[in-house]
Amino acid sequence: AQSVTQLGSHVSVSEGALVLLRCNYSSSVPPYLFWYVQYPNQGLQLLLKYTSAATLVKGINGFEAEFKKSETSFHLTKPSAHMSDAAEYFCAVSALSYNTDKLIFGTGTRLQVFP
Amino acid sequence: DAGITQSPRHKVTETGTPVTLRCHQTENHRYMYWYRQDPGHGLRLIHYSYGVKDTDKGEVSDGYSVSRSKTEDFLLTLESATSSQTSVYFCAISETRLAGGFDEQFFGPGTRLTVL
Repeated sequence: AQSVTQLGSHVSVSEGALVLLRCNYSSSVPPYLFWYVQYPNQGLQLLLKYTSAATLVKGINGFEAEFKKSETSFHLTKPSAHMSDAAEYFCAVSALSYNTDKLIFGTGTRLQVFP
Repeated sequence: DAGITQSPRHKVTETGTPVTLRCHQTENHRYMYWYRQDPGHGLRLIHYSYGVKDTDKGEVSDGYSVSRSKTEDFLLTLESATSSQTSVYFCAISETRLAGGFDEQFFGPGTRLTVL
């Protein structure tokens, strides 16, 4: 069975500082991995996805994530935080089934950015 | 943005009453999903549909039913609402299966449901 663990329900950084949001996965098959962002009172928006083409994945808004099979990790990073990055971030892993592909979500990490 | 609307956006109801939430898409995507979002739990799949009249249960399906009579509409029904079903409900859509492509799920704006 597939699962996702996000370490740290809250992360606080200063504007301009490195953002690092951690995600570890468990999967019995080669996984597809996703990072979604949720701004207040909105739905989820895809940041980036890993589909085995390249281990370093670049997404929108300057975010990127690196797939490390040996560590079963898919951490999200951004070199310099901006105030507008304040949001909740969800890591998700695909769970293949016979009639569709489900997503298993982590519990989320709320990012606060201080001026 | 993917054309997904949810109605109503907010609803307050009383325990024991039936509630129906609607998800409408204009993308003609095959797959549709209903999730609930609760603090500390992330998003959990309630039910999903892989075609018209084809639905299946997710991980938290007890107390919920769904119907899909048209490609564009996916209804979530709480037959007899309970306070534990107070949550934010999200609809999502996708086109291709991950194994056959690289599609992701697109999410609607959500419905905030309060059961008193």
